[in-house]
Amino acid sequence: LAKTTQPISMDSYEGQEVNITCSHNNIATNDYITWYQQFPSQGPRFIIQGYKTKVTNEVASLFIPADRKSSTLSLPRVSLSDTAVYYCLVGDVRDSSYKLIFGSGTRLLVRP
Amino acid sequence: DVKVTQSSRYLVKRTGEKVFLECVQDMDHENMFWYRQDPGLGLRLIYFSYDVKMKEKGDIPEGYSVSREKKERFSLILESASTNQTSMYLCASTSPRGRAGNTIYFGEGSWLTVV
Repeated sequence: LAKTTQPISMDSYEGQEVNITCSHNNIATNDYITWYQQFPSQGPRFIIQGYKTKVTNEVASLFIPADRKSSTLSLPRVSLSDTAVYYCLVGDVRDSSYKLIFGSGTRLLVRP
Repeated sequence: DVKVTQSSRYLVKRTGEKVFLECVQDMDHENMFWYRQDPGLGLRLIYFSYDVKMKEKGDIPEGYSVSREKKERFSLILESASTNQTSMYLCASTSPRGRAGNTIYFGEGSWLTVV
């Protein structure tokens, strides 16, 4: 299973763009990269998923370089409500034995 | 909307008791997972199941067992609860077969205190 490495914490201010990078040097050919957001006392919720290049949805963008050994979650113009823990997961989401191992995540604090 | 429902939000049990945590999903998902989350340790996988009656150990299976008799239901069992099993337990489900771009859905969590 591909291991992921993320910064433990990040600080930002309201209105700024926040980029959280995840390293996954051992990513396999069939692996997808998925990011989740978790608020205190709640289960994680899906933010975005990608395989290569760039993916954008209504809440975030995901940038994946050609070698796929890292990925960057980009949150445009964060607000206080974006304060949460962000997890990067790597795995073959089409494989029924995909274990979905979470790392320690990145604790993002958005200040006024 | 996909729904993953955990039977109990808050439980207090005594050391040595047998504890059942139930999880039900309504989207016909093949895969179901049980995690525990402790402060500073993130989510740790206890067990997962990719089909009825199938189960595989996660990273921290010791002291736990699971049951998947029906596709929609995945139960976590603490045979003899201990204080170090005080934690928040999260159930999740997903459907991997043949579909890329799928996501995992979580329940609201069960806070277990063992005294």
